[in-house]
Amino acid sequence: GAVVSQHPSRVICKSGTSVKIECRSLDFQATTMFWYRQFPKQSLMLMATSNEGSKATYEQGVEKDKFLINHASLTLSTLTVTSAHPEDSSFYICSARDFAGAAYNEQFFGPGTRLTVL
Amino acid sequence: AQTVTQSQPEMSVQEAETVTLSCTYDTSENNYYLFWYKQPPSRQMILVIRQEAYKQQNATENRFSVNFQKAAKSFSLKISDSQLGDTAMYFCAFMDQGAQKLVFGQGTRLTINP
Repeated sequence: GAVVSQHPSRVICKSGTSVKIECRSLDFQATTMFWYRQFPKQSLMLMATSNEGSKATYEQGVEKDKFLINHASLTLSTLTVTSAHPEDSSFYICSARDFAGAAYNEQFFGPGTRLTVL
Repeated sequence: AQTVTQSQPEMSVQEAETVTLSCTYDTSENNYYLFWYKQPPSRQMILVIRQEAYKQQNATENRFSVNFQKAAKSFSLKISDSQLGDTAMYFCAFMDQGAQKLVFGQGTRLTINP
C-alpha cells in the first residue's frame, strides 16, 4: 500500500511558540490530505481537509487562525499550531488520498505526531 | 450529520476465540462506505476491512468479516481465531460518497489474552 510519513514523530515545545508538522505522501500524489486530532483514549476527530493548491476547509469548531494548513504540493501538507498552549497537546494524524476519479479513493494514514506543550 | 456509535468501550477474549465488535451509524445518505480500522499501540491506523453500502454481500478479509445490516444501520466486525496481535483499538468509520470525509466511532479497546 501507499506510504504516508509525518515529521516530527514527537515534539515538545513551550507555551506560546509555534510548531510545524509535515505530512508527506512518499509514493503517490496526494490531491487531498486530511488532518485529525486524537486526545488520549479518544477517537480521531477531523480538523480540516486540504486540497493541493487551494485553501483548507476546516471543520466546525476548529480555529483556522490557530491551525494553519498549507498544501503547496502534491506530496506535502503542513499543519502549523500557532501560539501553542497546553490544551493543544494531542496526537495529530494526517491522511492522504489520490483522487483518481473513482467513486472511492482509500485514505492512507501517517504514523502521527505527538505534540506536548509545556 | 452522520454519527457512528460503538457501544462497547472494552472487550477481552482468549486467544483463538471469536469476537464480535458492534457498530451502528446514522445517515440519510444512500451511497456510502463503512470501515473498520485497527490502531495498535504504535498508533498507526490500519485499514482492516471496507464495505460498500450498495453491496449486499458482507465483506471478508481472511479472519475478519462484517455483518452489514443496511436497514438497521448496523455494521459489526467479527474476528475469528483471534490472535495476540489483534490486540488494539478498533474504530468503526463512515464515509459518504460525496465529501469522502471519515467519521469515526468512539472505538473499542480489544484485548486478546494468551
